[in-house]
Order: sequence, then C-alpha cells, then structure tokens
Amino acid sequence: NAGVTQTPKFQVLKTGQSMTLQCAQDMNHNSMYWYRQDPGMGLRLIYYSASEGTTDKGEVPNGYNVSRLNKREFSLRLESAAPSQTSVYFCASRDQGAYEQYFGPGTRLTVT
Amino acid sequence: GEDVEQSLFLSVREGDSSVINCTYTDSSSTYLYWYKQEPGAGLQLLTYIFSNMDMKQDQRLTVLLNKKDKHLSLRIADTQTGDSAIYFCAERDGGYNKLIFGAGTRLAVHP
Repeated sequence: NAGVTQTPKFQVLKTGQSMTLQCAQDMNHNSMYWYRQDPGMGLRLIYYSASEGTTDKGEVPNGYNVSRLNKREFSLRLESAAPSQTSVYFCASRDQGAYEQYFGPGTRLTVT
Repeated sequence: GEDVEQSLFLSVREGDSSVINCTYTDSSSTYLYWYKQEPGAGLQLLTYIFSNMDMKQDQRLTVLLNKKDKHLSLRIADTQTGDSAIYFCAERDGGYNKLIFGAGTRLAVHP
C-alpha cells in the first residue's frame, strides 16, 4: 500500500494563478482532510470530507475549494492564489471508527 | 474555541529523558495524540491516550494525562539523535474526528 499520496511535492505560483493539489489514498478510508501548516501555528484544517459525496468547511476555508472525486481522491483547488496561501499542505485520511489519521508527505506551495 | 498550546523548542543531551508538555482547553476531548514530524516529511502518529486514562507507556514513550489541569505530556526515555523532530500534540474534536493541533515542539538532541 502506498498510503496517502500527494502531488505535486513542490509548486511555485504567481499571485492570481490557479492550481489543484491532488490527494489519493489506497486504504479504503471514508474520511479525508486537507490541512495547512504554517511556522509556529501547527496544522489548521481547511476542509474535510466525512464520506464520498460530502465536504465541509474547516477552520480556514477561505480562498479554497475541494472536490471528493470518489472514495480514493480528494483535491484542493486554489482559484486565485495569494501570497498568504504560501504554506505546506497536508492531506490525511481516516477509516470509519478509527482514531488515527494517516498523513501524506505534503505539498510545499510558494505564491509570489 | 478549542486551543492547544505547546512550548516551541526543547534541547536535550543524548541519553537523557525528554519531556514535552501540552495544554488543551476542550474538556470533552475523547482522545489526545502525539504526532512526530521529521524534516521534509508528513506527520506520523507516535501514540495516543484515551481521556479516561492517566498514563500510557509504549517502550521508550510515556504519556501522562492530567484531566483536571488539561495537561498532557510526552516523556521520551534515553533520547537519541533519531528522536530529533517536531512533536505535535493534538486533541480530537467532534464526531468527524477533526484534530486540533498545537504549534509543535522542536526537539533538538545533542551529543
């Protein structure tokens, strides 16, 4: 099993550009999550999906959209990137009833 | 809202014990977690404790929970250079298992 995979690993965008961060898990988990990690602030939840077909806002959803394409894939889209979105983005997944979230390796995004 | 706080930095000598502390605000949290992040990597679950427990031991790791003071600690015995990483405390919030993270404690282990 690959676990949780994320693409790309690194990305540089100019202000106003758009892009989609991809996340996939092969563990048949129901729930998936997108976090951002900023220095000195820990991880903050952007959006989550409790099951295929549902998505909900987390703590910091502004400027982002998500799509739960199927049970495996959960993408995060930046429609018009801003320098404040420079961060490391982590995707995670969790099995129904389980206590552990499994994290991907992260995408480091820089917006200039 | 919920909040999780940790000190940002800890330096220890190789072979000593490390103690990383965390305070949280949500008294209804059912699970509390310790995650480890090595440079350039994602987060890896180290251990967790259920809220009705006071202590949990797992090899070199000991977790202590003081529910009255909402204080959680992680003790690493015989700290090694491979333990150098950022350690995140997190509490579980709500039915969708949303995690509320602290800012992370950077552990530096020196000879």
